[in-house]
Amino acid sequence: DTAVSQTPKYLVTQMGNDKSIKCEQNLGHDTMYWYKQDSKKFLKIMFSYNNKELIINETVPNRFSPKSPDKAHLNLHINSLELGDSAVYFCASSQGLSGSGTDTQYFGPGTRLTVL
Amino acid sequence: RKEVEQDPGPFNVPEGATVAFNCTYSNSASQSFFWYRQDCRKEPKLLMSVYSSGNEDGRFTAQLNRASQYISLLIRDSKLSDSATYLCVVITGTYKYIFGTGTRLKVLA
Repeated sequence: DTAVSQTPKYLVTQMGNDKSIKCEQNLGHDTMYWYKQDSKKFLKIMFSYNNKELIINETVPNRFSPKSPDKAHLNLHINSLELGDSAVYFCASSQGLSGSGTDTQYFGPGTRLTVL
Repeated sequence: RKEVEQDPGPFNVPEGATVAFNCTYSNSASQSFFWYRQDCRKEPKLLMSVYSSGNEDGRFTAQLNRASQYISLLIRDSKLSDSATYLCVVITGTYKYIFGTGTRLKVLA
């Protein structure tokens, strides 16, 4: 059983389009995250949600809008896609508060987004 | 200064060698530390947590030096399958996971 799953795995689209990436975790975790990994392989946190509440928004353009319908799902919608949005987007989850001993993150397989 | 810094490598080592990586962090209030492994075109996976007293898992040993603000990873008896990028992760504040840029390791036959 996949612990953290993302769809789609690959996404190729034109500039200016709107697209969504879905993430689900079946680990019963309280906290979910979105990361962006660029061409230089730097993994940067974008958002964090705890029990459906936004906790972290790391100066991401407002074209990116996360949505958490329940604590097992965290979707990412991107409006007006730009060339610079091309990257691999990883979803992750963890059990609880960082520093509490339950803060190991588990990652989804990633979504490779290419904007043409 | 970056919040978490790693030597990007690559470290090219022969099979059986011992190799060590360091990772420095800038925020002295950081409270949790990890090493993750990322294979090419795959997601990061937890290798080991890093505890204040140091910890070992088979061929892997992790150390934390709070005074000098760095963590280290030692791999003994390197295997071909150890070839990957090793990411240092520091938690600073609530939910704020900061990843280093990773150190590439290539173990050569």
